Amino acid sequence: QVQLQESGPGLVKPSQTLSLTCTVSGGSISSGDYYWSWIRQPPGKGLEWIGYIYYSGSTYYNPSLKSRVTISVDTSKNQFSLKLSSVTAADTAVYYCAIGGVIAPFAFDIWGQGTMVTVSS
Amino acid sequence: QSVLTQPPSVSAAPGQKVTISCSGSSSNIGNNYVSWYQQLPGTAPKLLIYDNNKRPSGIPDRFSGSKSGTSATLGITGLQTGDEADYYCGTWDSSLSCWVFGGGTKLTVL
Repeated sequence: QVQLQESGPGLVKPSQTLSLTCTVSGGSISSGDYYWSWIRQPPGKGLEWIGYIYYSGSTYYNPSLKSRVTISVDTSKNQFSLKLSSVTAADTAVYYCAIGGVIAPFAFDIWGQGTMVTVSS
Repeated sequence: QSVLTQPPSVSAAPGQKVTISCSGSSSNIGNNYVSWYQQLPGTAPKLLIYDNNKRPSGIPDRFSGSKSGTSATLGITGLQTGDEADYYCGTWDSSLSCWVFGGGTKLTVL
């Protein structure tokens, strides 16, 4: 059973770049027609899709964040990563990594436990 | 303001049935598959329904999904206190080229 674990700084200063990593265990990030995703949830609010990288390497980003987001894969470490630049307090959220396409081609099948990131000086 | 509209809250007694609606448009629900997620307090979301009405292995048949036109519905029968959670619908929006979620519905089992 594939499992995901997010890691990264819990506190980021305004205007800096938020960097998170999702480590995949129980399976290879190189296998399957999956899409490796990032989704966030501000405190007390709903879910917001950030973007995903498809198994082919193609990336798809939320238009509202596209200018600041980069999602990449490191197959040697079985990880995928999120970089969000020029952060503000509005980027404070729990960040989840998730996989789409494992059992459901059009849904997020497996989620990490999430990691809280606070943007504050 | 979410692209998909859900009621903020619903409630029902243990053993009863509840439905949660998710309203969208032709660019999202109308032409794409809908999925539903359950988020228990303090935990990550979990896939409950995919492809409008399919359940992943391990999800009890008390949970069901349906879609008609530009709306989708999650149904839960035989409510249990353990079903108290936030429920989200989600789908791809072809006009926005973006995955969208509903604002979430808090289920209270009285």
